[in-house]
Amino acid sequence: DSGVTQTPKHLITATGQRVTLRCSPRSGDLSVYWYQQSLDQGLQFLIQYYNGEERAKGNILERFSAQQFPDLHSELNLSSLELGDSALYFCASSYGTDNQPQHFGDGTRLSIL
Amino acid sequence: QKEVEQDPGPLSVPEGAIVSLNCTYSNSAFQYFMWYRQYSRKGPELLMYTYSSGNKEDGRFTAQVDKSSKYISLFIRDSQPSDSATYLCAMISMDSSYKLIFGSGTRLLVRP
Repeated sequence: DSGVTQTPKHLITATGQRVTLRCSPRSGDLSVYWYQQSLDQGLQFLIQYYNGEERAKGNILERFSAQQFPDLHSELNLSSLELGDSALYFCASSYGTDNQPQHFGDGTRLSIL
Repeated sequence: QKEVEQDPGPLSVPEGAIVSLNCTYSNSAFQYFMWYRQYSRKGPELLMYTYSSGNKEDGRFTAQVDKSSKYISLFIRDSQPSDSATYLCAMISMDSSYKLIFGSGTRLLVRP
């Protein structure tokens, strides 16, 4: 058990809809990272928050947004969903940033019908 | 060309074999190297974390980094069926654009 909790485990929705994925980091970790994993793209970094502030941005679409709250949990919001957004979304956390190893949750599987 | 290259496999070996998993990379700014194991329907699990060139051992696992060749390896001794999973290498660059890049993963199957 990595200590990183993601909910829900599975989401099924339709095109055009909006969903929110939630992540609770390991106790004591200040950084939260979001990743998308699909069969053809592998594990792609989306965005990082450190202690409530956006720290780094990867290949995150404008339809996607995230935030980290004062209690350090994070939410990833996906809107105007398209079929191609179907993927596994992982959250990871680390104590600091830069060179710290990341620990992953078990992901949210998003299925767009 | 991808920054990190990893053979997707699958790699099938008999139980007890020594497994060698490898990644090559092109960006000399990569300074920290990790190996993750991912079981089906689970998140990646950190196995090894190294900084410098050389070897790091943890039980049946040995991570090797050769920065001069831009090549990293993970060796698994006495492989077990429970080692069957996808293994992802990952690297952190320390240039101005900090980022963690993953390889595409190698599927390993250890046959009983």
